[in-house]
Amino acid sequence: GNSVTQMEGPVTLSEEAFLTINCTYTATGYPSLFWYVQYPGEGLQLLLKATKADDKGSNKGFEATYRKETTSFHLEKGSVQVSDSAVYFCALSGNDYKLSFGAGTTVTVRA
Amino acid sequence: DTAVSQTPKYLVTQMGNDKSIKCEQNLGHDTMYWYKQDSKKFLKIMFSYNNKELIINETVPNRFSPKSPDKAHLNLHINSLELGDSAVYFCASSRGRGGPVLETQYFGPGTRLLVL
Repeated sequence: GNSVTQMEGPVTLSEEAFLTINCTYTATGYPSLFWYVQYPGEGLQLLLKATKADDKGSNKGFEATYRKETTSFHLEKGSVQVSDSAVYFCALSGNDYKLSFGAGTTVTVRA
Repeated sequence: DTAVSQTPKYLVTQMGNDKSIKCEQNLGHDTMYWYKQDSKKFLKIMFSYNNKELIINETVPNRFSPKSPDKAHLNLHINSLELGDSAVYFCASSRGRGGPVLETQYFGPGTRLLVL
């Protein structure tokens, strides 16, 4: 079946540091890939998405590129802020009509 | 206007009780979902409905029963609550049935259930 593996946290960074969260997937066919973010005490929000190979999703300074050859969708941000502290989930939507989530990575940014 | 709303936000109850969580979406979406998030933040889908038809029913105890009176509402009823049911339950909706076509799911704020 479809599955998503993302790097375990927690990740603690200083403000303005570079953030990378690795995400790899296993899926049949050509899934859509997503990053969702969950701020403390809130529900999940879509951060960015990509629907085909080599697509780059971007939002709020975050980027991720759909790499079919490495089955990856790593999330990056060049300069994080305290307000980026959250839990980040990689997910895919495939032929099974489900959104399959990774385990989530907790990111804490210190001033 | 809140796109996906859930009530209640917090629910504290005793083992053995029966409780319901309600979800409503005003996005005009056809598909709604229930997810369970455990204490380690792991998210797992429980059910989904498309136009009031059950399309996903994961391995969930039959104490959990979803009900969709119309495509804008999906409620979750839980019988004989157990300690292990303590979690955050999220409702979500999407425009289509899901699948490889681009599908964004919109999540509610969650219901924090604590079973004592």
